[in-house]
Amino acid sequence: ELKVEQNPLFLSMQEGKNYTIYCNYSTTSDRLYWYRQDPGKSLESLFVLLSNGAVKQEGRLMASLDTKARLSTLHITAAVHDLSATYFCAVDKAGNEKLTFGTGTRLTIIP
Amino acid sequence: GAVVSQHPSRVICKSGTSVKIECRSLDFQATTMFWYRQFPKQSLMLMATSNEGSKATYEQGVEKDKFLINHASLTLSTLTVTSAHPEDSSFYICSARFPGSSGANVLTFGAGSRLTVL
Repeated sequence: ELKVEQNPLFLSMQEGKNYTIYCNYSTTSDRLYWYRQDPGKSLESLFVLLSNGAVKQEGRLMASLDTKARLSTLHITAAVHDLSATYFCAVDKAGNEKLTFGTGTRLTIIP
Repeated sequence: GAVVSQHPSRVICKSGTSVKIECRSLDFQATTMFWYRQFPKQSLMLMATSNEGSKATYEQGVEKDKFLINHASLTLSTLTVTSAHPEDSSFYICSARFPGSSGANVLTFGAGSRLTVL
């Protein structure tokens, strides 16, 4: 059974600081996704990582994938309040369209 | 871009009644749609895979007779919660796969439907 765990589950950080969210998964997987969810809202796709060593950046967010370690990271640079949300990673395998979601990380940026 | 429309966004019903939630892909055809359930402050759990023109595939532990899924066309899937009870209160989210140029499983999510059963 594929398990996806995120660390930490809750994160409060001050504006301007840097931090990293970690996503570990239990079995080999082909693709790793990061999503953002605002309270009461649906999911917004942030990144799709397809291969070992993949790195993608959008604004203050950067995601990377290490398939050998079964680890993905979401790095936040110089956090701003607008980044407050819950972030989910998810994984799947080629030929199987079912996504397995991580536990989620609730990020709160404090002014 | 791909858009998945989900309706209603909020619904309140009495215990014992049935509620239908619609999920439409607006500018693309979706042979497969997915239905997720999310309890407050928790992650998303896949309930079932909706297949156009055939029966849905339910995840283990999901009652198929309670959560009826119909995927009658390439752009519409419906989830009907039958004889709803308070424990069925949750946030239901549908998604559809939009073909990505990279071949990745690019899922587009609907806005979600918050069901409250009194």
